[in-house]
Amino acid sequence: EDQVTQSPEALRLQEGESSSLNCSYTVSGLRGLFWYRQDPGKGPEFLFTLYSAGEEKEKERLKATLTKKESFLHITAPKPEDSATYLCAVQAHFNKFYFGSGTKLNVKP
Amino acid sequence: DGGITQSPKYLFRKEGQNVTLSCEQNLNHDAMYWYRQDPGQGLRLIYYSQIVNDFQKGDIAEGYSVSREKKESFPLTVTSAQKNPTAFYLCASSDFGQSITGELFFGEGSRLTVL
Repeated sequence: EDQVTQSPEALRLQEGESSSLNCSYTVSGLRGLFWYRQDPGKGPEFLFTLYSAGEEKEKERLKATLTKKESFLHITAPKPEDSATYLCAVQAHFNKFYFGSGTKLNVKP
Repeated sequence: DGGITQSPKYLFRKEGQNVTLSCEQNLNHDAMYWYRQDPGQGLRLIYYSQIVNDFQKGDIAEGYSVSREKKESFPLTVTSAQKNPTAFYLCASSDFGQSITGELFFGEGSRLTVL
């Protein structure tokens, strides 16, 4: 069964304390893995696309990596404004996206 | 600026009423989607459309209907047959091109509450 699992469900960090969020997936025919940021009451904001194992993408304090079974979103020296829910999604077939339930990140000053 | 506009942002409905959520995009994307988001769950696909005048059911289409008369517009009607309509609804679009791979771009969402 195709599915996407994110862990942890919630993560509390002190400002400057680096950590990683995990997205594991079991889908056949991976076409792309996507990371989104979602603020409360808002739509998801696109962050990264990863297509193949070994690929890495960076944006400010965020770095996304991909293996054959999972992806990590590394957050280096986070700031309070990084607090949000981070969603992972996998495109398995044309027009078929599977979403994880998200990791809620809270960065304390 | 290009983007996806959803309206209304908040909507209250009495039981037994149909309501329509609007979704308009000016990104010139062919594909459009409707997702439902409930607390603690991943986004679930309601309907999607790859081209004008064509759409397909997603995983949770029962109690919903859509139309795609224009490329820019993909309204969703939540009918009285939907047993638990209170949720956050998200519209998205994508431009796959020749690669048939591409990220989804989302609107700001519409929160529907049934009284």
